[in-house]
This record gives sequence, structure tokens and C-alpha cells, in this order.
Amino acid sequence: ETGVTQTPRHLVMGMTNKKSLKCEQHLGHNAMYWYKQSAKKPLELMFVYNFKEQTENNSVPSRFSPECPNSSHLFLHLHTLQPEDSALYLCASSQEARNEKLFFGSGTQLSVL
Amino acid sequence: GEDVEQSLFLSVREGDSSVINCTYTDSSSTYLYWYKQEPGAGLQLLTYIFSNMDMKQDQRLTVLLNKKDKHLSLRIADTQTGDSAIYFCAERFSGGYNKLIFGAGTRLAVHP
Repeated sequence: ETGVTQTPRHLVMGMTNKKSLKCEQHLGHNAMYWYKQSAKKPLELMFVYNFKEQTENNSVPSRFSPECPNSSHLFLHLHTLQPEDSALYLCASSQEARNEKLFFGSGTQLSVL
Repeated sequence: GEDVEQSLFLSVREGDSSVINCTYTDSSSTYLYWYKQEPGAGLQLLTYIFSNMDMKQDQRLTVLLNKKDKHLSLRIADTQTGDSAIYFCAERFSGGYNKLIFGAGTRLAVHP
């Protein structure tokens, strides 16, 4: 148990659906991240939030929309996704965005049909 | 450019030592990391090394850093079946907020 909880663990959605991924951390951290893990590819950083402010958007398509209402919660809203968006989406947190230790959740395995 | 490379697969016998290698590109990286991912789980930070160190030892784990060659290795002594996982090398890119550049991961298989 890393202190970072992601729900749901698995999600199957059609290309016209709208869904949201949720991440919650119980570590008192101030920075939260979304990473995408595709098969046989390195982890890709998607978004960084530091003290609820988005500090990095790594050229992510607008069909992915992050939301960080407070330092403990992070959402990733999904709409009109493509099959190539199927991947494991990992949430992580750290004390601050310049802190070197990331704590990861178990991820949401997303399948887009 | 930003690139971290590692071999994709390593197979070792239980009780032997495992050595997982990694090369990185950003010579100004301040920290280098090893993460472990077990099936169905997220990444777990195993260990990290600051760029002004050559070696770091933590129980069965030894990290070696060759800054000149931009080469990082993770040695696991007395490898056990519970060490079977994917191991990711990562460098902290100096260009932004805690931007970690990960390798593709090395799948370690431990057999009897």
C-alpha cells in the first residue's frame, strides 16, 4: 500500500463515452501526476499539479482533461477517446513537484473499444 | 534529447546475482532512480542515487553510477522469485518540475 489509491482498477469504454479516472493520496503531498503506460513503451508524463496548479501539460490531446480540486485528489476526465489511448494510467504524488520521490498508485487499466 | 535505454529482458537463476543496466542522456540529471513494478501494481521506488555519488548500497541492492559514460546499473544479490518484476530506470530531467524520464523497463524473470 503506497498511500495512493486509484479507481476504477479497470475500465472499458466506447469511443463516444465520457468517463473519469480518480486518484486520491493520503500522504499529505502537494504534487500529483498522471502518467500513461503503454505496452512496450516508456512511461509518459501527462500532467503535473503542484499545490493544485497545473505546472505541466506534456502535449496531451484535449480529449484528456485533468482536474485537481485539492492537493489530495486528482481526476482525469476522458471523452471521445481512440483505441490507441488504451493503456495503464498511473497516478503519482510527491511532497512537492521538485521532490525526487514519487509514490505511485496501482493504476487504471483502460480499454477503448 | 531525452532518452533512457535499458534491455527489455533478463533471466537469472534463484540465488544468483542480477545486474540490470541503463543508459541515460541528460548529463545534468541530479537524481537517478530504480523503480519496481510487480504484476497488476503501480511502480514502487526501490532506490535512488544522487549524481555526485558513484555507488549506493541498500541491503541486497547495489546501484553503480558511471557519470562519464552515463551508465547506471542495479545489482540484486541473492535474487529470489519475489524479485520477479519489471524494473524501470529513470532520470530526473533537469528541465522542469520533477520530470522523470523513464526507460521502457527490464523484465526480470527468476527461475529455480
